[in-house]
Amino acid sequence: EMQLVESGGGLVKPGGSLRLSCAASGFTFNNAWMNWVRQAPGQGLEWVGRIKAKTDGGTTDYAAPVKGRFTISRDDSKNTVYLQMNSLKTEDTAVYYCTTGLFHYGAFDLWGQGTMVTVSS
Amino acid sequence: EIVLTQSPGTLSLSPGERATLSCRASQSVSSSYLAWYQQKPGQAPRLLIYGASSRATGIPDRFSGSGSGTDFTLTITRLEPEDSAVYYCQQYHSSPQWTFGQGTKVEIK
Repeated sequence: EMQLVESGGGLVKPGGSLRLSCAASGFTFNNAWMNWVRQAPGQGLEWVGRIKAKTDGGTTDYAAPVKGRFTISRDDSKNTVYLQMNSLKTEDTAVYYCTTGLFHYGAFDLWGQGTMVTVSS
Repeated sequence: EIVLTQSPGTLSLSPGERATLSCRASQSVSSSYLAWYQQKPGQAPRLLIYGASSRATGIPDRFSGSGSGTDFTLTITRLEPEDSAVYYCQQYHSSPQWTFGQGTKVEIK
C-alpha cells in the first residue's frame, strides 16, 4: 500500500524551529517529487514547497511566505522527506501535509494524514 | 504567481441536483496543468481531476472537469450526501510557484 506518514508537529514559540518528517512506503520514493502543503485552521490549502527527485536535479522551490525560512531535504536511503522550519511566525500555524504526484505530474494523488504545527507564545 | 479565484464561496443544493463550480486564473493556464480536489472535514484532500478533465483513479463519473485558458469548471451531477465537502482547484503550470484556489464549499440540503 502506498503511504505517506508525517511526524514532528507540535507547539513552538515564535522565532523557534521545528523539523517535520514524512516517511514514504509502497512506491519508488527516489523517483518522486515531494511537496509540502499546509492548511491554517479554517482556511484553504497553501503550497509550501517542493523537492525534485535527484535524477531531476534534486532542487527545491518554495512559496514566497516561507522562502529563506523553510528548507526541504530528502534522504532516499530512508524514503523520507523533511521540512526544516526556522524563524517560525504565528501565521505558520497550520496542518502540514506531505504529498506527491505519483502518476500525474503536479497533481497530488497521494497525501499523508497531516501533522499540526502551532506557533504560539 | 498565478492567482486562482473560485466561485461561488458556498453552494447549497439538494440531493440529485447538479453542482457547477468555477475556477478562474489570473493568467492563462495550460489545461494539462489544472487539478481539482475534494476535502472533507478532518481529512486530507483527495485528487478528483487532473489535466483539467481527466478523472483520477476511482473517481465516479458524476464528477467532470472542463475548461481552458483562464476559466475552468468542475461539475458534479446527481449530487449525493457524501459529496458535501470543500472543493479546491490547483494549477501546476507556473513553475516554481504552484497555487490553489481558496475553495468552494458544497452543502447538501
